[in-house]
Amino acid sequence: EAAVTQSPRNKVAVTGGKVTLSCNQTNNHNNMYWYRQDTGHGLRLIHYSYGAGSTEKGDIPDGYKASRPSQENFSLILELATPSQTSVYFCASGDAGRKNTLYFGAGTRLSVL
Amino acid sequence: QEKVQQSPESLIVPEGAMVSLNCSFSDSASQSIWWYQQHPGKGPKALISIFSNGNKKEGRLTVYLNRASLHVSLHIKDSQPSDSAVYLCAVSMASSSFSKLVFGQGTSLSVVP
Repeated sequence: EAAVTQSPRNKVAVTGGKVTLSCNQTNNHNNMYWYRQDTGHGLRLIHYSYGAGSTEKGDIPDGYKASRPSQENFSLILELATPSQTSVYFCASGDAGRKNTLYFGAGTRLSVL
Repeated sequence: QEKVQQSPESLIVPEGAMVSLNCSFSDSASQSIWWYQQHPGKGPKALISIFSNGNKKEGRLTVYLNRASLHVSLHIKDSQPSDSAVYLCAVSMASSSFSKLVFGQGTSLSVVP
């Protein structure tokens, strides 16, 4: 079973502060993704990566940056956190191709006060 | 932008009932449709996928895809309390060389003993 680990699991941040969410996968998948999940919106794609050194904007990238320093690690960075970024964030990994499954981490619950 | 709509929003059924979940999408060229299951406090987990028009059966799960009507349904036979979860429909984008998924807002299923 593919393993995707997110840290921290819970985070409380102050408005204007910097937040970094981390994700590690041990399955040598090329592609990694960051989604956020909000009631009524489902899962929405923030950033994704094809491999080490690459990051691409997803559907809702404003206010977020991403970093993929290695095949295993993918971070989501909120430089100036706002209350509207309070949400549950999920990292996922998978290989290219239409038949390949995405494997999700357990999520990070972020509250920005 | 692909749009994915699910119905109903929530469903309560007795143990042993047949469950039917619906999903409509906007792009007839979408490559594949996935169903993910999400238990409280967990990340989504892939259940079943379909690429071609028609149906596919795996254990107690059957999925039907009708590209002409842009509709896919998931049927769970002999439902169990452990099936209680949120079910997410996800559509992969046809032009993508990687698995970018667009998710619906989910259907919350409760199976009552």
